[in-house]
Amino acid sequence: KNEVEQSPQNLTAQEGEFITINCSYSVGISALHWLQQHPGGGIVSLFMLSSGKKKHGRLIATINIQEKHSSLHITASHPRDSAVYICAVSYNTDKLIFGTGTRLQVFP
Amino acid sequence: GAGVSQSPSNKVTEKGKDVELRCDPISGHTALYWYRQSLGQGLEFLIYFQGNSAPDKSGLPSDRFSAERTGGSVSTLTIQRTQQEDSAVYLCASSLFRNTEAFFGQGTRLTVV
Repeated sequence: KNEVEQSPQNLTAQEGEFITINCSYSVGISALHWLQQHPGGGIVSLFMLSSGKKKHGRLIATINIQEKHSSLHITASHPRDSAVYICAVSYNTDKLIFGTGTRLQVFP
Repeated sequence: GAGVSQSPSNKVTEKGKDVELRCDPISGHTALYWYRQSLGQGLEFLIYFQGNSAPDKSGLPSDRFSAERTGGSVSTLTIQRTQQEDSAVYLCASSLFRNTEAFFGQGTRLTVV
């Protein structure tokens, strides 16, 4: 069982839809990261959070420490949001443990 | 430079040859990480540097893999006697300090034929 579980694995949406991607982890963490990987492989860090909620443009990330769960929301989705979204956690060690990713396709 | 730079971007090598992959982190970043993404697989941790020392090299898959970092800056990941299962995208990331936001390079796509 992966320490970091993401759902769904694949997600398709129409432009404008509200999107939610979920991430669950098994033990206490020091931080949780949401990453975006476009075709071609480049990875961009979207959020790093250890509690509460963060917002950047149309993206919102929340984390519930007690439930060991985080969500990434995309409001008013757009085809350029199409990418793989990866949840990763760090414990007291420094390395990231990655989820398997959620492949999002947004159609016009 | 403005971001994390990796070279080469693509490398094709024959089985049994040695390869060196280079990572130039963002200037001033003390922490540097190497990760690997095999085809159709998720990302896996290889090694972490704090400055020039590697407190965690637990992810290196075999003794054919080694890495070093010099001057608290550039890092080189070396794979000796490459095997086909080493084919993957090797990603480098750096962060200002440990457990802060990580910035990723574009990766080196290694193909062992």
